[in-house]
Amino acid sequence: GDSVTQMEGPVTLSEEAFLTINCTYTATGYPSLFWYVQYPGEGLQLLLKATKADDKGSNKGFEATYRKETTSFHLEKGSVQVSDSAVYFCALSERGAQKLVFGQGTRLTINP
Amino acid sequence: DGGITQSPKYLFRKEGQNVTLSCEQNLNHDAMYWYRQDPGQGLRLIYYSQIVNDFQKGDIAEGYSVSREKKESFPLTVTSAQKNPTAFYLCASSSEWNSPLHFGNGTRLTVT
Repeated sequence: GDSVTQMEGPVTLSEEAFLTINCTYTATGYPSLFWYVQYPGEGLQLLLKATKADDKGSNKGFEATYRKETTSFHLEKGSVQVSDSAVYFCALSERGAQKLVFGQGTRLTINP
Repeated sequence: DGGITQSPKYLFRKEGQNVTLSCEQNLNHDAMYWYRQDPGQGLRLIYYSQIVNDFQKGDIAEGYSVSREKKESFPLTVTSAQKNPTAFYLCASSSEWNSPLHFGNGTRLTVT
């Protein structure tokens, strides 16, 4: 079945550092890919998405490119802030499927 | 503002008691979902509903029940048959299949 694998956390960085959170997926078709963010004590919010190969999703300085050849959707940000501290989830949904499949989440902590 | 309201934020119950978690949305979304979140395990789908008076089991439906009598409401009952009910429960909705999910802020259930 479909699955999403994220890099193990937790990840701790200093403010203004470069961020990469790896995400790879397994799917039988051509899924849409998503990154969601969860701040402490809250639900998840959509951060960005990409619906086809080579699409780049971007929001709030975060970017991720849909790479079909490597089945990856890595999240990047050039200069992180303390306010970026949260748990990040990679997810996919297949066309015609009835659910979103989530990775296990990566906890990110940014120190001032 | 439109959104999803989950109540209560924290819920405590004794083992052997059924408990119902509330989820209301005013986004006019057709699809609604219940997820369970445990540390290090990402989100797992419990039940979902595409339309009023219809719902389907997700990956971990055993010990849970739902109803969808109104478009706006999708309550989840955690029954005494659920062997490990202590978790963070998230309700979500979407306008159609494969569109991004909107999440509530969750209910943290503790059963002792």
